[in-house]
Amino acid sequence: KAGVTQTPRYLIKTRGQQVTLSCSPISGHRSVSWYQQTPGQGLQFLFEYFSETQRNKGNFPGRFSGRQFSNSRSEMNVSTLELGDSALYLCASSLVGGGQGTEAFFGQGTRLTVV
Amino acid sequence: GESVGLHLPTLSVQEGDNSIINCAYSNSASDYFIWYKQESGKGPQFIIDIRSNMDKRQGQRVTVLLNKTVKHLSLQIAATQPGDSAVYFCAENAGNMLTFGGGTRLMVKP
Repeated sequence: KAGVTQTPRYLIKTRGQQVTLSCSPISGHRSVSWYQQTPGQGLQFLFEYFSETQRNKGNFPGRFSGRQFSNSRSEMNVSTLELGDSALYLCASSLVGGGQGTEAFFGQGTRLTVV
Repeated sequence: GESVGLHLPTLSVQEGDNSIINCAYSNSASDYFIWYKQESGKGPQFIIDIRSNMDKRQGQRVTVLLNKTVKHLSLQIAATQPGDSAVYFCAENAGNMLTFGGGTRLMVKP
């Protein structure tokens, strides 16, 4: 079956703009989590969605938001982009969420560069 | 806050040798642990997991050991191959959130 698909793969934006990233989970998976990966901070949890509801949230400012649709596809949005938002944004899907001890499968990520 | 960490940022091994990557965690409430492998330009790939009620789990060429007494996790790779070269992350789960360690880069010398 198809894996986790993230679009776009690469994105260049200007400071102050906003951006929307998309994630299509593995068919049947209801949990989608988002992570930010940077060389300095490593992999940091942004938020998790399950059945269209945000179930958990990491320690990121309100400029970072997300949503999940009825087909489990998820989007994350970053408003008023800052240079420090440049990172690889990863999406992971799992059947019911990592808390239930089920493995999370990652997409290849979206590389966002803010200039 | 509590976090997952790694002792060694870079590990260099000879092809054919065994590799051991270590990880320390601090959240005693974590009940599930995962090792991921990330190759350049790709997302993390699941390697092996272990629940807190186990102390050892084996996969194909990989073994994860969990020592809850000292809050330590390790990944052992047998007969390391060039294709094993990557960054390895341990992750712990408490609630519905995975917390990742900083990563260890494994370099395999031919």
